[in-house]
Amino acid sequence: GNSVTQMEGPVTLSEEASLTINCTYTATGYPSLFWYVQYPGEGLQLLLKATKADDKGSNKGFEATYRKETTSFHLEKGSVQVSDSAVYFCALSGVWENTGTASKLTFGTGTRLQVTL
Amino acid sequence: DGGITQSPKYLFRKEGQNVTLSCEQNLNHDAMYWYRQDPGQGLRLIYYSQIVNDFQKGDIAEGYSVSREKKESFPLTVTSAQKNPTAFYLCATQRGGRETQYFGPGTRLLVL
Repeated sequence: GNSVTQMEGPVTLSEEASLTINCTYTATGYPSLFWYVQYPGEGLQLLLKATKADDKGSNKGFEATYRKETTSFHLEKGSVQVSDSAVYFCALSGVWENTGTASKLTFGTGTRLQVTL
Repeated sequence: DGGITQSPKYLFRKEGQNVTLSCEQNLNHDAMYWYRQDPGQGLRLIYYSQIVNDFQKGDIAEGYSVSREKKESFPLTVTSAQKNPTAFYLCATQRGGRETQYFGPGTRLLVL
């Protein structure tokens, strides 16, 4: 079955440091890949996505490249801010049991990022 | 204002009680999902629905029930058969196929 593995947290960085959160996946076929962010007490917000190999998703200074050869989708940001403190989830989406309109998201366990001044 | 609303924000359940969590959307999305989130874990799928009057079990459906009488609404009932209901419950919607899933703000369920 599909699975997502992401690095354990928490990750603690000083403001303006660079960030990499590793994510690797196992899937059949050609899944879409996502990064979601969750702020304390809130739901998940889509951060970025990529739907095919070599696609780069980017948003708010974050970026991730869909690498099929290494089955990876690492999240990067050149300079983090205190406001980036949150939990980040890597996820993949594959069509589930030929459902047509529904697809199953498989999540990693999340990586907590803490950014300090 | 478009989006997904979940209510209540906090819900308390007594032993042996059924409780219902609300999820409403005005995005005109076909598919709706319920996920459970436990501390330090990823999200796990409880139920999903592609169209009105149709729904399917996810990975952890035992102790839960749903209905989809209207496109806009997908309520989740946590029954007394769910022995460990304390968790954060998230509803999501999707326009279709491999489209992005969008999440509501969540309901935190606590047991008294």
